[in-house]
Amino acid sequence: SAVISQKPSRDICQRGTSLTIQCQVDSQVTMMFWYRQQPGQSLTLIATANQGSEATYESGFVIDKFPISRPNLTFSTLTVSNMSPEDSSIYLCSVAPSGPGQGAGNIQYFGAGTRLSVL
Amino acid sequence: AQKVTQAQTEISVVEKEDVTLDCVYETRDTTYYLFWYKQPPSGELVFLIRRNSFDEQNEISGRYSWNFQKSTSSFNFTITASQVVDSAVYFCALAGTYKYIFGTGTRLKVLA
Repeated sequence: SAVISQKPSRDICQRGTSLTIQCQVDSQVTMMFWYRQQPGQSLTLIATANQGSEATYESGFVIDKFPISRPNLTFSTLTVSNMSPEDSSIYLCSVAPSGPGQGAGNIQYFGAGTRLSVL
Repeated sequence: AQKVTQAQTEISVVEKEDVTLDCVYETRDTTYYLFWYKQPPSGELVFLIRRNSFDEQNEISGRYSWNFQKSTSSFNFTITASQVVDSAVYFCALAGTYKYIFGTGTRLKVLA
């Protein structure tokens, strides 16, 4: 398993500003992911954070809105840019420790999330 | 396309009752993995179980048990003798690759 620390745990932001969320893992991991969970909804994958290269974004999510950094195997940040009330969600970081093959079916371990409210 | 359906939005039970959470999935992959996670009010998703598509053996862990049936594409989760601490949102997920497809979750309320 892995221990994940996510900061901040919650924030209230003004429309048009940006917030950077940090995810720190207690061990080196191959794969890190960022999810969004809108109020009362399921989890949606935003992107896979790749170490040393650009993140891989899912359909509907773009780098200009959600820039991601991954400088090493234990740390990543997600920025929510130019926020609007529609960005009010829980943002979760997850990691999948190295496994066989292409990582199919690897167990993902999640941080406690960042509760973001945009006014 | 892959899909996970958790038809039960919310379930309320009285403590010590048994409860089953349903999960139905769709995939064309022959190799895939199924998961259950618990999300307590604190927000962190807690891993409960992983099954691969070739292992249909049911599993029991304490008060928790899982029933995997490929014939009906279901992976149901039963809590025996429920407790108030079991109150949470439970998510079923499917993965053919490293990407998870989550269901919409079932909120379980266990009343004292």
